[in-house]
Amino acid sequence: DIQMTQSPSSLSASVGDRVTITCRASQSISSYLNWYQQKPGKAPKLLIYAASTLQSGAPSRFSGSGSGTDFTLTISSLQLEDFATYYCQQSYSIPRSFGQGTKLEIK
Amino acid sequence: QVQLVQSGSELKKPGASVKVSCKASGYTFTNYGINWVRQAPGQGLEWMGWINTKTENPTYAQGFTGRFVLSLDTSVSTAYLQISSLKAEDTAVYYCAREYDSSRKYYFDYWGQGTLVTVSS
Repeated sequence: DIQMTQSPSSLSASVGDRVTITCRASQSISSYLNWYQQKPGKAPKLLIYAASTLQSGAPSRFSGSGSGTDFTLTISSLQLEDFATYYCQQSYSIPRSFGQGTKLEIK
Repeated sequence: QVQLVQSGSELKKPGASVKVSCKASGYTFTNYGINWVRQAPGQGLEWMGWINTKTENPTYAQGFTGRFVLSLDTSVSTAYLQISSLKAEDTAVYYCAREYDSSRKYYFDYWGQGTLVTVSS
């Protein structure tokens, strides 16, 4: 099974900051990497798929990059509504494992 | 528009069973697989398994075999998660999610709202 590890586990930042979250796979997953945003009490929401493709309706301040084992999610200028928990997920193989999550909090 | 609507919260005693439903609308149900994801209180997302809506064949993650059963009723575009012999540690929110295939890039593009299952005596 492929293990996904995110860092950091939590992050404090201010509105307007540029933020980067990383995700590492235990083996190469090509670009089969997705990012989700989850707010308290809500279902996760797809932000980016295939490592770098922005889901329709997701704000353009979100971007993704990487391939193989190392990936990043970048928020170019944090907005209030971006404070949430972010998860990466590999879709290279079954089981479809998630990272442990990165909680983005207001500084 | 695509929607996945799950059944409501459940409170069950240890040892009982529960069946959570996930009703799909706005698309051809048998064109996309349905995945199930568990989120224990204060914890992250855990993939439980998926069911192929064309063949009705389920696949389970390790740790979700035996007491967990995924099934379908394609006549009403609904997927089900049944959990038997419930334990306190099954207390969680359970999500269904549609898996989209874009040129073999798979992702969960629509999610149900989640169903809270609480197991308590």
